[in-house]
Amino acid sequence: NAGVTQTPKFQVLKTGQSMTLQCAQDMNHEYMSWYRQDPGMGLRLIHYSVGAGITDQGEVPNGYNVSRSTTEDFPLRLLSAAPSQTSVYFCASKGPGYGKLFFGSGTQLSVL
Amino acid sequence: RKEVEQDPGPFNVPEGATVAFNCTYSNSASQSFFWYRQDCRKEPKLLMSVYSSGNEDGRFTAQLNRASQYISLLIRDSKLSDSATYLCVVNLNTGTASKLTFGTGTRLQVTL
Repeated sequence: NAGVTQTPKFQVLKTGQSMTLQCAQDMNHEYMSWYRQDPGMGLRLIHYSVGAGITDQGEVPNGYNVSRSTTEDFPLRLLSAAPSQTSVYFCASKGPGYGKLFFGSGTQLSVL
Repeated sequence: RKEVEQDPGPFNVPEGATVAFNCTYSNSASQSFFWYRQDCRKEPKLLMSVYSSGNEDGRFTAQLNRASQYISLLIRDSKLSDSATYLCVVNLNTGTASKLTFGTGTRLQVTL
């Protein structure tokens, strides 16, 4: 029962570097999403996808790109990392119906 | 005004106590409601959905008041293992996808 697999768990970047956070799910969920979680801010939606080939922006999309070439994978790309992107990132998927999101274990990202 | 507001706590209660959390939401068109639990440095997990008539799951009771736009979570007979952050989540169907908005969470610490 893998569920949602997210890698890496920890990452340190220098300002200006780029990287990709990987997310894969094996539940055949159409909906996948990326959140960031910051102290006092709650979880904020970065980008989401309702199926392969379809992506859309969430609440805080600037500085991030996504693509969805398969149902299983939904990578998040940081184009040019900034200290303001220091955060904990969660990937999540959702089956049909309302509300039950399955989260990956998170990535602690620090940008120096 | 935040879309979903919660008292951040912490709520420090002794084992066996009853504790209640409230959450208010601003969009009256919100359609479904949930409580998630998040342990320290872990991913959020669905605790329970919240139904209009109120619902119970063991020691946990959730209530929804649409007129006043708040939801509540009651925990009876608190256990040490209930120590966590409880996230209020509100869903709004946008047509193409669900928009899930998270509160910042209420931290509960149950002590001996």
